[in-house]
Amino acid sequence: SSELTQDPAVSVALGQTVRITCQGDSLRSYYASWYQQKPGQAPVLVIYGKNNRPSGIPDRFSGSSSGNTASLTITGAQAEDEADYYCNSRDSSGNPQVVFGGGTKLTVL
Amino acid sequence: QLQLQESGPGLVKPSETLSLTCTVSGGSISSSSYYWGWIRQPPGKGLEWIGSIYYSGSTYYNPSLKSRVTISVDTSKNQFSLKLSSVTAADTAVYYCARHLSGDYVLGWFDPWGQGTLVTVSS
Repeated sequence: SSELTQDPAVSVALGQTVRITCQGDSLRSYYASWYQQKPGQAPVLVIYGKNNRPSGIPDRFSGSSSGNTASLTITGAQAEDEADYYCNSRDSSGNPQVVFGGGTKLTVL
Repeated sequence: QLQLQESGPGLVKPSETLSLTCTVSGGSISSSSYYWGWIRQPPGKGLEWIGSIYYSGSTYYNPSLKSRVTISVDTSKNQFSLKLSSVTAADTAVYYCARHLSGDYVLGWFDPWGQGTLVTVSS
């Protein structure tokens, strides 16, 4: 399958924990990567591999995976975390290719 | 610090070929383990991978665009380029270039990204 499915929108109260999910058959074989995109800006990598954060990404961001579902968890969400979040992974069918989820708009209340 | 910068025309006519170049600075495009990718984002919509290239010229393309896409690399200029032929209004998007890293398998995650460039297809 060449699809990754994300909830279109999620909200979280300031300081609370939120989980953003990404579903797809390819996630049984490959890790998801997660990107944060704020309006008018390029995406920024926040999680890659099993659960790795690039330098400069706060440790409140973490990743996990189970079966066909990958999750991005923000523990203690901050106002500046309000953004669109996209997952991506390798596709598991045929020749190597890359797929993105449709994105989740996170609102911090 | 590695930086990528897209350049090219912001307006392309329907049926013509879109051409963009990504200039890499702060590092060599010939580094092993890295592919270099193109991703696009139509206004108000999500991200779509276009394709990726290794410094040797080896490429992977999105099957849905493969018939119209050519990605090439110029190691002497530390640049890689995108050509998309027979464009329509549906190809209007912000086009990003990014380093495409590999972990246990090729084609992993994208980091960093260029700032993106808006290409509008219109007569």
